[in-house]
This record gives sequence, C-alpha cells and structure tokens, in this order.
Amino acid sequence: AQSVTQLGSHVSVSEGALVLLRCNYSSSVPPYLFWYVQYPNQGLQLLLKYTSAATLVKGINGFEAEFKKSETSFHLTKPSAHMSDAAEYFCAVSAAGGSYIPTFGRGTSLIVHP
Amino acid sequence: DSGVTQTPKHLITATGQRVTLRCSPRSGDLSVYWYQQSLDQGLQFLIHYYNGEERAKGNILERFSAQQFPDLHSELNLSSLELGDSALYFCASSAVPGALNEQYFGPGTRLTVT
Repeated sequence: AQSVTQLGSHVSVSEGALVLLRCNYSSSVPPYLFWYVQYPNQGLQLLLKYTSAATLVKGINGFEAEFKKSETSFHLTKPSAHMSDAAEYFCAVSAAGGSYIPTFGRGTSLIVHP
Repeated sequence: DSGVTQTPKHLITATGQRVTLRCSPRSGDLSVYWYQQSLDQGLQFLIHYYNGEERAKGNILERFSAQQFPDLHSELNLSSLELGDSALYFCASSAVPGALNEQYFGPGTRLTVT
C-alpha cells in the first residue's frame, strides 16, 4: 500500500519569497513521485516527477523537488514566488511493484501576497 | 490545454436522478481514469479503463458505472444520485498504464445534486 501526506492545507507567502510545500510518502516498494498543480477551474497538470534517475528533479515554472529516501519526503520548492503561482498543489505516489494508480495527497493551497 | 475534453462543464440535478459524464482522452491515449474530487475526501480514484477494458477499480460506488467505447471516449454513469455525490469529476488519460506515466487531466465536470 502507498500513501501521501501533505503537511499544511494552506501555505501563505509573499511575492518573491521562498515557496516550500511539504510531502511525505509511504510505500513498501521504491516509489515514483509526482507533483501536480491545479489552477482555479482547471484540471491538474504535471509540475514534475521523480522516477529514480536523479534525486533533485526540476520541473516547469521554476519549481523543483528533492527525493530524500531517509526522510521519505519529496518537498516542492521555488526560490521566488510569483503571484501566478497561487494554486492548489498535489503530491502523488505510485510504485512499479505496487499500484500503478497514483495515490494523491489532500492538496496544499498556495496563497501569494503582493 | 491538456487535450482531454469533458462534457458537460456543469451539471445540476435532483436526488434520485441519473446522469452521464463524458470524456475524450488525448489523441493516441488508450488509458482513461476517472476521479472524484470533493472537499471532505480529496481526490479519489474511481476506475481505470485501458483500450476498452476495465483495468482497476478504486472507491467507486455500486450506483456508479463506466465504460470505454471503441473510439476510446469514456462515459461515467451516476445513478440514484444523493446529495453527497456533489463533487468535481475528473477524467485523465495516459498513453498506456504504468506507475511511471503521468496523467493528463481534463477540466472536470462539476456535479451539483439538489
């Protein structure tokens, strides 16, 4: 079985500040990890994914995430927040030896203040 | 634009009724996934079809059913609707099933049951 916990249902930052969205996973087999973003009134779109090739993964819009096996974490960061980053962010886990259907976290709403 | 289309965008209906939600996957994608997104349950996987065949079931109620047609579009049928079925229903597609493969989400159908 696999699961994802996203710490903080809401994160508020000022424009230009560091963005840090936390994700911890549980998986009995090596995981694949994803971050998706959902803008208002839209579907989810992929930001980045970890597939074991490199622990630091770069995605679109300046986001990146680091896989830390010892901490079972896959936190999402961006050095400088922009107003357009305001959205809902979802972490998801799947596993080649487990369920190929991703399990999604509850989501974190990122609020960016001017 | 993910290339996944869903109709209708909004649906308002009464308890006890039956509705059909439609999804067209990205061109060339053989896999279609259905999800339900609600405030209290988050994003829940319902069912997965690959090239016309059911491949995986999640938390799908017996009142709900789905199918994928030869042209690869899919329909989700919800019957004997209850107030608690009010949610956003997303369809996603991918080329083939696989834990590595990201999913492309449609814009969703917002169902309101009154």
